[in-house]
Amino acid sequence: ILNVEQSPQSLHVQEGDSTNFTCSFPSSNFYALHWYRWETAKSPEALFVMTLNGDEKKKGRISATLNTKEGYSYLYIKGSQPEDSATYLCAFRSFRVKLIFGTGTRLQVFP
Amino acid sequence: DAMVIQNPRYQVTQFGKPVTLSCSQTLNHNVMYWYQQKSSQAPKLLFHYYDKDFNNEADTPDNFQSRRPNTSFCFLDIRSPGLGDAAMYLCATSEGGNEQFFGPGTRLTVL
Repeated sequence: ILNVEQSPQSLHVQEGDSTNFTCSFPSSNFYALHWYRWETAKSPEALFVMTLNGDEKKKGRISATLNTKEGYSYLYIKGSQPEDSATYLCAFRSFRVKLIFGTGTRLQVFP
Repeated sequence: DAMVIQNPRYQVTQFGKPVTLSCSQTLNHNVMYWYQQKSSQAPKLLFHYYDKDFNNEADTPDNFQSRRPNTSFCFLDIRSPGLGDAAMYLCATSEGGNEQFFGPGTRLTVL
């Protein structure tokens, strides 16, 4: 059974704080690791698709790293803002189209 | 804007009363997916259509069926909803195994 774990489950930070969370996934049969942001009442929105070991991707204040050999990815948010409040989901893909999701990290940023 | 649309956003049904959830897309993607997400759990793939080919996950209950009459539309039929089927149902699309685009989901309540 393929398992994707995310930690922490939830996080409360003050505006301006930087934060990071972890996604752990199987290190065998790796094809890609996806990060999504899911705001309440909206569609999950793709942040990054990462495929190469050592990959680092950035979008504004959000960045992500990937280690496929040990099976983890970190998502970093620099200078969190209230609009960053959302659930952040990671999903592992092996060599089929299927994505296996983690349970997500729920981030709340207080003004 | 090209997008994935789900109707209705909220659906209430009675125990045992059949219900259909619908998904449409303007992206012209060849793959469409249905996920179930129960509270605090990871989104779980129920099945997907790769073009016209239906792919059921091994642990998807027989109570759940799907139809894809054309490229744009995909339906999720729950033949006899039980209390345990109350969940968020997410539809997603992709072109082949590339990035998946999600709809906003339908929250199903079973009374």
